[in-house]
Amino acid sequence: QKEVEQDPGPLSVPEGAIVSLNCTYSNSAFQYFMWYRQYSRKGPELLMYTYSSGNKEDGRFTAQVDKSSKYISLFIRDSQPSDSATYLCAMGAPGTASKLTFGTGTRLQVTL
Amino acid sequence: DSGVTQTPKHLITATGQRVTLRCSPRSGDLSVYWYQQSLDQGLQFLIQYYNGEERAKGNILERFSAQQFPDLHSELNLSSLELGDSALYFCASSAGLAGHEQYFGPGTRLTVT
Repeated sequence: QKEVEQDPGPLSVPEGAIVSLNCTYSNSAFQYFMWYRQYSRKGPELLMYTYSSGNKEDGRFTAQVDKSSKYISLFIRDSQPSDSATYLCAMGAPGTASKLTFGTGTRLQVTL
Repeated sequence: DSGVTQTPKHLITATGQRVTLRCSPRSGDLSVYWYQQSLDQGLQFLIQYYNGEERAKGNILERFSAQQFPDLHSELNLSSLELGDSALYFCASSAGLAGHEQYFGPGTRLTVT
């Protein structure tokens, strides 16, 4: 079993929809949670960073962490075609925070 | 643009050869990380350098090595290349030792034929 599980998709939604992307993990030591966006043939781009449980909002993006369920989510409101990309979750533990563990990514397609 | 630069963008080479990938971190960042991304394995952490010293190692093969120079740029050396080494290689940087927020470069696409 992988430490971090992420549905590969593809997930196809119409423009304007609310998108929910999720990851589950098994390592209870993870305290740092990140979401990256990766366009085709480009490097991952850091979208959101959260520490421990709770919600964090940045514009149309909301990151949610539920440590009791070992489950994290990224919500995208008013999705746009430019949001079409692969979304990667990443996690780190104290003491090994530099060694991030990534999910395999969910491919999102926002259609007109 | 993350501020992290990588060269070359593409590299095609034959099995058994050796290549060097180069990375320049964002201005002011002291940590450099190397990752390998393949279709079946996703993004895999290879190694981290902080201010010239190796600080963390992932599943890096013995045929691979890296270093960080006094000007903080880093090089990843891949030797005795095999077909399975074909992948995207990313460099990332962060300000400090604990790299919660890592900024990725555009990557080097390596094709081994």
